[in-house]
Amino acid sequence: QVQLKETGPDLVQLTQTLSITCTVSGFSLTTYNVHWVRQPPGKGLEWMGAMWNGGGTDYNSAFKSRLSISRDTSKSQVFLKMNSLQTDDTAKYFCARLNWERDYFDYWGQGVMVTVSS
Amino acid sequence: DIRMTQSPASLSASLGETVNIECLASEDIYSDLAWYQQKPGKSPQLLIYNANSLQNGVPSRFSGSGSGTQYSLKINSLQSEDVATYFCQQYNNYPPTFGGGTKLELK
Repeated sequence: QVQLKETGPDLVQLTQTLSITCTVSGFSLTTYNVHWVRQPPGKGLEWMGAMWNGGGTDYNSAFKSRLSISRDTSKSQVFLKMNSLQTDDTAKYFCARLNWERDYFDYWGQGVMVTVSS
Repeated sequence: DIRMTQSPASLSASLGETVNIECLASEDIYSDLAWYQQKPGKSPQLLIYNANSLQNGVPSRFSGSGSGTQYSLKINSLQSEDVATYFCQQYNNYPPTFGGGTKLELK
Protein backbone atom coordinates (compact mmCIF):
# COMPACT_ATOMS: atom_id res chain seq x y z
CA GLN A 1 0.00 0.00 0.00
CA VAL A 2 1.02 3.63 -0.39
CA GLN A 3 3.21 4.92 2.44
CA LEU A 4 5.40 7.93 3.04
CA LYS A 5 7.69 8.27 6.04
CA GLU A 6 9.76 11.25 7.08
CA THR A 7 12.96 10.88 9.07
CA GLY A 8 14.99 13.70 10.45
CA PRO A 9 16.26 15.44 13.57
CA ASP A 10 14.07 16.54 16.48
CA LEU A 11 16.29 19.51 17.22
CA VAL A 12 18.33 21.85 15.03
CA GLN A 13 20.45 24.75 16.22
CA LEU A 14 19.72 28.29 15.16
CA THR A 15 21.25 29.20 11.75
CA GLN A 16 22.08 25.56 11.04
CA THR A 17 20.78 23.34 8.22
CA LEU A 18 17.79 21.01 8.38
CA SER A 19 17.82 17.75 6.42
CA ILE A 20 14.79 15.48 6.21
CA THR A 21 14.31 12.32 4.18
CA CYS A 22 10.96 11.12 2.87
CA THR A 23 10.99 7.41 2.05
CA VAL A 24 8.05 6.24 -0.04
CA SER A 25 6.63 2.82 -0.85
CA GLY A 26 3.75 1.52 -2.92
CA PHE A 27 4.38 3.92 -5.80
CA SER A 28 7.19 5.22 -7.98
CA LEU A 29 8.77 8.66 -7.74
CA THR A 30 9.02 8.64 -11.53
CA THR A 31 5.22 8.43 -11.77
CA TYR A 32 4.00 10.58 -8.89
CA ASN A 33 4.97 14.00 -7.56
CA VAL A 34 5.97 14.40 -3.91
CA HIS A 35 5.66 17.71 -2.09
CA TRP A 36 6.71 19.14 1.25
CA VAL A 37 4.29 20.92 3.57
CA ARG A 38 4.99 22.25 7.04
CA GLN A 39 2.85 23.16 10.05
CA PRO A 40 4.06 25.31 12.95
CA PRO A 41 2.66 24.21 16.34
CA GLY A 42 -1.04 25.05 16.61
CA LYS A 43 -1.08 26.71 13.20
CA GLY A 44 -2.06 26.03 9.60
CA LEU A 45 -0.40 24.28 6.68
CA GLU A 46 2.22 25.90 4.43
CA TRP A 47 3.31 24.48 1.09
CA MET A 48 7.08 24.46 0.78
CA GLY A 49 7.96 22.87 -2.52
CA ALA A 50 7.68 20.04 -4.99
CA MET A 51 9.68 17.22 -6.51
CA TRP A 52 8.12 16.50 -9.85
CA ASN A 53 8.07 12.99 -11.30
CA GLY A 54 10.34 14.15 -14.14
CA GLY A 55 13.00 15.30 -11.70
CA GLY A 56 12.27 19.02 -11.70
CA THR A 57 11.54 21.05 -8.60
CA ASP A 58 9.44 24.05 -7.55
CA TYR A 59 9.75 26.13 -4.42
CA ASN A 60 7.58 28.49 -2.44
CA SER A 61 9.10 31.92 -2.94
CA ALA A 62 8.70 32.50 0.82
CA PHE A 63 11.75 30.31 1.34
CA LYS A 64 13.80 32.13 -1.28
CA SER A 65 17.10 30.34 -1.77
CA ARG A 66 17.13 28.58 1.62
CA LEU A 67 15.31 25.48 0.41
CA SER A 68 16.52 22.59 -1.73
CA ILE A 69 14.61 19.44 -2.71
CA SER A 70 16.19 16.45 -4.37
CA ARG A 71 15.61 12.72 -4.77
CA ASP A 72 17.15 9.31 -5.18
CA THR A 73 14.74 7.25 -7.24
CA SER A 74 16.71 4.03 -6.69
CA LYS A 75 16.02 4.34 -2.97
CA SER A 76 12.52 5.84 -3.35
CA GLN A 77 13.60 8.83 -1.32
CA VAL A 78 12.94 12.56 -1.53
CA PHE A 79 15.13 14.95 0.42
CA LEU A 80 14.45 18.36 1.93
CA LYS A 81 17.32 20.59 2.90
CA MET A 82 16.83 24.06 4.33
CA ASN A 83 19.57 26.30 5.66
CA SER A 84 19.82 29.33 7.93
CA LEU A 85 17.11 28.02 10.25
CA GLN A 86 15.34 30.47 12.53
CA THR A 87 13.06 29.88 15.51
CA ASP A 88 9.98 30.39 13.34
CA ASP A 89 11.04 27.36 11.29
CA THR A 90 9.98 25.24 14.27
CA ALA A 91 7.26 23.09 12.75
CA LYS A 92 6.09 19.63 11.79
CA TYR A 93 7.37 18.82 8.32
CA PHE A 94 5.30 16.53 6.11
CA CYS A 95 5.91 14.96 2.75
CA ALA A 96 2.79 14.27 0.74
CA ARG A 97 1.94 12.62 -2.57
CA LEU A 98 0.14 14.62 -5.19
CA ASN A 99 -2.78 12.87 -6.84
CA TRP A 100 -1.82 11.86 -10.40
CA GLU A 101 -4.79 13.63 -12.00
CA ARG A 102 -5.25 16.79 -9.96
CA ASP A 103 -3.08 18.78 -7.56
CA TYR A 104 -4.45 17.70 -4.21
CA PHE A 105 -2.61 15.53 -1.70
CA ASP A 106 -3.98 12.01 -1.48
CA TYR A 107 -1.41 10.51 0.90
CA TRP A 108 0.67 12.10 3.65
CA GLY A 109 3.55 10.96 5.81
CA GLN A 110 3.18 11.08 9.59
CA GLY A 111 5.46 14.12 9.74
CA VAL A 112 8.56 14.96 11.74
CA MET A 113 8.50 17.64 14.42
CA VAL A 114 11.57 19.85 14.25
CA THR A 115 12.44 22.39 16.94
CA VAL A 116 14.93 25.14 16.19
CA SER A 117 16.86 25.94 19.34
CA SER A 118 18.91 28.96 20.20
CA ASP B 1 -0.96 33.72 -4.20
CA ILE B 2 -4.63 32.81 -3.71
CA ARG B 3 -5.77 33.49 -0.17
CA MET B 4 -8.12 30.95 1.45
CA THR B 5 -10.23 32.18 4.36
CA GLN B 6 -11.98 29.58 6.50
CA SER B 7 -14.79 30.17 8.95
CA PRO B 8 -15.43 29.68 11.72
CA ALA B 9 -11.97 29.23 13.26
CA SER B 10 -13.49 27.01 15.91
CA LEU B 11 -16.81 25.30 16.35
CA SER B 12 -18.54 23.41 19.13
CA ALA B 13 -21.36 21.02 18.22
CA SER B 14 -23.34 18.16 19.76
CA LEU B 15 -23.39 14.53 18.69
CA GLY B 16 -25.90 14.00 15.87
CA GLU B 17 -25.84 17.66 14.87
CA THR B 18 -25.13 18.95 11.34
CA VAL B 19 -22.02 21.10 10.95
CA ASN B 20 -21.03 23.47 8.15
CA ILE B 21 -17.56 24.88 7.54
CA GLU B 22 -16.97 27.59 4.96
CA CYS B 23 -13.97 28.39 2.77
CA LEU B 24 -13.68 31.59 0.75
CA ALA B 25 -11.08 31.98 -2.00
CA SER B 26 -9.64 35.37 -2.95
CA GLU B 27 -10.40 34.60 -6.60
CA ASP B 28 -12.30 32.04 -8.64
CA ILE B 29 -10.72 28.59 -8.19
CA TYR B 30 -13.11 26.72 -10.50
CA SER B 31 -13.91 23.98 -7.94
CA ASP B 32 -10.24 23.04 -7.57
CA LEU B 33 -10.72 22.59 -3.85
CA ALA B 34 -9.93 19.82 -1.39
CA TRP B 35 -10.91 19.31 2.25
CA TYR B 36 -8.72 17.54 4.79
CA GLN B 37 -9.32 16.26 8.31
CA GLN B 38 -6.47 16.38 10.81
CA LYS B 39 -6.77 14.70 14.20
CA PRO B 40 -4.43 15.77 17.01
CA GLY B 41 -0.87 14.61 16.45
CA LYS B 42 -1.72 13.07 13.07
CA SER B 43 -1.24 14.03 9.44
CA PRO B 44 -4.06 15.50 7.33
CA GLN B 45 -6.34 12.99 5.63
CA LEU B 46 -8.11 13.75 2.35
CA LEU B 47 -11.91 13.91 2.66
CA ILE B 48 -13.16 15.72 -0.45
CA TYR B 49 -11.58 16.72 -3.78
CA ASN B 50 -12.85 18.69 -6.76
CA ALA B 51 -15.07 20.52 -4.27
CA ASN B 52 -17.67 17.74 -4.02
CA SER B 53 -16.09 14.31 -4.71
CA LEU B 54 -15.83 12.01 -1.71
CA GLN B 55 -12.48 10.26 -1.29
CA ASN B 56 -12.68 6.46 -1.14
CA GLY B 57 -13.36 5.21 2.36
CA VAL B 58 -14.68 8.51 3.72
CA PRO B 59 -18.09 8.22 5.40
CA SER B 60 -21.01 9.54 3.40
CA ARG B 61 -21.98 11.94 6.19
CA PHE B 62 -19.24 14.19 4.79
CA SER B 63 -20.10 16.25 1.72
CA GLY B 64 -18.68 19.24 -0.11
CA SER B 65 -20.28 21.91 -2.24
CA GLY B 66 -19.63 25.29 -3.79
CA SER B 67 -18.29 27.02 -6.84
CA GLY B 68 -16.41 30.14 -7.85
CA THR B 69 -14.94 31.57 -4.66
CA GLN B 70 -17.27 30.04 -2.04
CA TYR B 71 -17.13 26.46 -0.78
CA SER B 72 -18.41 24.50 2.17
CA LEU B 73 -17.91 21.22 3.97
CA LYS B 74 -20.96 19.65 5.62
CA ILE B 75 -20.90 16.95 8.25
CA ASN B 76 -24.24 15.29 8.87
CA SER B 77 -25.02 13.53 12.13
CA LEU B 78 -21.78 14.44 13.90
CA GLN B 79 -19.91 11.52 15.45
CA SER B 80 -17.31 11.60 18.24
CA GLU B 81 -14.59 10.51 15.80
CA ASP B 82 -15.20 13.66 13.75
CA VAL B 83 -13.49 15.79 16.41
CA ALA B 84 -10.58 17.24 14.45
CA THR B 85 -9.31 20.29 12.64
CA TYR B 86 -10.48 20.72 9.06
CA PHE B 87 -8.53 22.50 6.31
CA CYS B 88 -9.45 23.53 2.79
CA GLN B 89 -6.83 23.72 0.01
CA GLN B 90 -7.03 25.28 -3.44
CA TYR B 91 -5.11 23.74 -6.33
CA ASN B 92 -6.22 25.96 -9.17
CA ASN B 93 -3.03 28.03 -9.06
CA TYR B 94 0.48 27.51 -7.76
CA PRO B 95 1.45 27.66 -5.01
CA PRO B 96 -1.25 25.49 -3.48
CA THR B 97 -2.64 27.32 -0.47
CA PHE B 98 -4.58 26.23 2.58
CA GLY B 99 -7.22 27.79 4.76
CA GLY B 100 -6.33 28.56 8.36
CA GLY B 101 -8.32 25.60 9.68
CA THR B 102 -11.51 25.02 11.65
CA LYS B 103 -11.19 23.25 14.98
CA LEU B 104 -14.29 21.15 15.66
CA GLU B 105 -15.04 20.13 19.22
CA LEU B 106 -17.92 18.36 20.95
CA LYS B 107 -20.31 20.39 23.03
